[in-house]
Amino acid sequence: AQSVTQPDIHITVSEGASLELRCNYSYGATPYLFWYVQSPGQGLQLLLKYFSGDTLVQGIKGFEAEFKRSQSSFNLRKPSVHWSDAAEYFCAVLASGGSYIPTFGRGTSLIVHP
Amino acid sequence: NAGVTQTPKFRVLKTGQSMTLLCAQDMNHEYMYWYRQDPGMGLRLIHYSVGEGTTAKGEVPDGYNVSRLKKQNFLLGLESAAPSQTSVYFCASSKQGRVDYGYTFGSGTRLTVV
Repeated sequence: AQSVTQPDIHITVSEGASLELRCNYSYGATPYLFWYVQSPGQGLQLLLKYFSGDTLVQGIKGFEAEFKRSQSSFNLRKPSVHWSDAAEYFCAVLASGGSYIPTFGRGTSLIVHP
Repeated sequence: NAGVTQTPKFRVLKTGQSMTLLCAQDMNHEYMYWYRQDPGMGLRLIHYSVGEGTTAKGEVPDGYNVSRLKKQNFLLGLESAAPSQTSVYFCASSKQGRVDYGYTFGSGTRLTVV
C-alpha cells in the first residue's frame, strides 16, 4: 500500500522568500504524485501532478515540484512567495496500475510574514 | 461550470440527531468520494463510489452511510451523530480512467455535533 509523509506541520516564510515544502512517499513502483492547495474555508485545488517523463513539473500560481526517485520525494517549490500563498498544502500519492484512491499527507500549513 | 457542490456549508447537530450531506457534480464523473478533514490528520476517506448504485468503505466508515442513486449525486448520512463526528467534510470526484486529471473537490461542509 502507498503512503505519504509531509514532515513539516507548519512552515513560516517572509514574503518574497523562496519556499520548499517536503513530501516523501512509500510505494514499490513509480506512483502518480500530486500537490493540492487549500485556502481557508475552501476545498482543495490541484497545483500540479507528476505521472511520468520530465521529473521537474510546473504547476499553477508559479509552483513547481521535482520528483526524485532515489529519495522517494516530490518536494514543492516556489522562488518567491506572495502573501496570498498562505494556505494548507497537501501532497497525495496514487498507486499506478489502475488504482483510483489517492492517499493524502497530513498537510503543511504555510504562514507568510509581510 | 459548477464542478462539485456540497450542501449545506455549515450545520450544528445535537448528539443523536441524523442528517444527510449532499454532493452533486456536473462533470459526468464516474468516481465520487467522501473525506473528513480533522486538524493534524489530513484527509481521511470515509466512503467512495465507482459508479451509480455502487459504494465501498474507505478508511473511516463507521457511523456513516452513503448512497449513489444517481450518477451526479453522492449522499453521506449520519444516522446518530456523535461529537467525534465534528469535522469538515469534503466531497470529491474524478473521471474513470483519467486519474491524471486529478480530483475535483467541493468547498466543504463544516459540521459541529454538540
